[in-house]
Amino acid sequence: EPEVTQTPSHQVTQMGQEVILRCVPISNHLYFYWYRQILGQKVEFLVSFYNNEISEKSEIFDDQFSVERPDGSNFTLKIRSTKLEDSAMYFCASSEGQLSGNTIYFGEGSWLTVV
Amino acid sequence: AQSVAQPEDQVNVAEGNPLTVKCTYSVSGNPYLFWYVQYPNRGLQFLLKYITGDNLVKGSYGFEAEFNKSQTSFHLKKPSALVSDSALYFCAVRDSAGGFKTIFGAGTRLFVKA
Repeated sequence: EPEVTQTPSHQVTQMGQEVILRCVPISNHLYFYWYRQILGQKVEFLVSFYNNEISEKSEIFDDQFSVERPDGSNFTLKIRSTKLEDSAMYFCASSEGQLSGNTIYFGEGSWLTVV
Repeated sequence: AQSVAQPEDQVNVAEGNPLTVKCTYSVSGNPYLFWYVQYPNRGLQFLLKYITGDNLVKGSYGFEAEFNKSQTSFHLKKPSALVSDSALYFCAVRDSAGGFKTIFGAGTRLFVKA
């Protein structure tokens, strides 16, 4: 069964450092997302991405965050200057199309710890 | 704007008994409703969804959910709980009236006791 893959599974970084989280969405999917979850709590929407541009973003997704699809397979989330409160599990997800009924499929997550 | 509520932080049930995990929603347009399950230190696994049609939706692992438009609810159910069903369950909603955003509830932790 096709799946979303994420790397790294866990990263520890110093406050103020830049972090890049990587994702390979399911191959025939066209819509890509990043969500985050702090300490096993609520899953929060960060951003959606389609046709090489951001289609929607939340208030969490401020100027320190950026997303990119550098090639035909990878989808990345960059945090420019990490803060302690950025510590969370970051989930990449993808869906096949833009119809509202399309299911979003999630990766296993990248656990980011900022120290 | 869409929203989703899971009124119970935790549900406890004995193995073999039926379980219900509650979810209510609010949308401007038509709702597209989803249930996901999360096991410890894992990603979110899709269980089932309601788009249109039959109000009773069947999904993975014997789970089902009932869409109730008048009560704006989408409760997750299983006739006979297993210890292995113990996990964190998330209800999610997408609004046909706008956007690509799927909003998740706060999650309900299900404990099934042997």
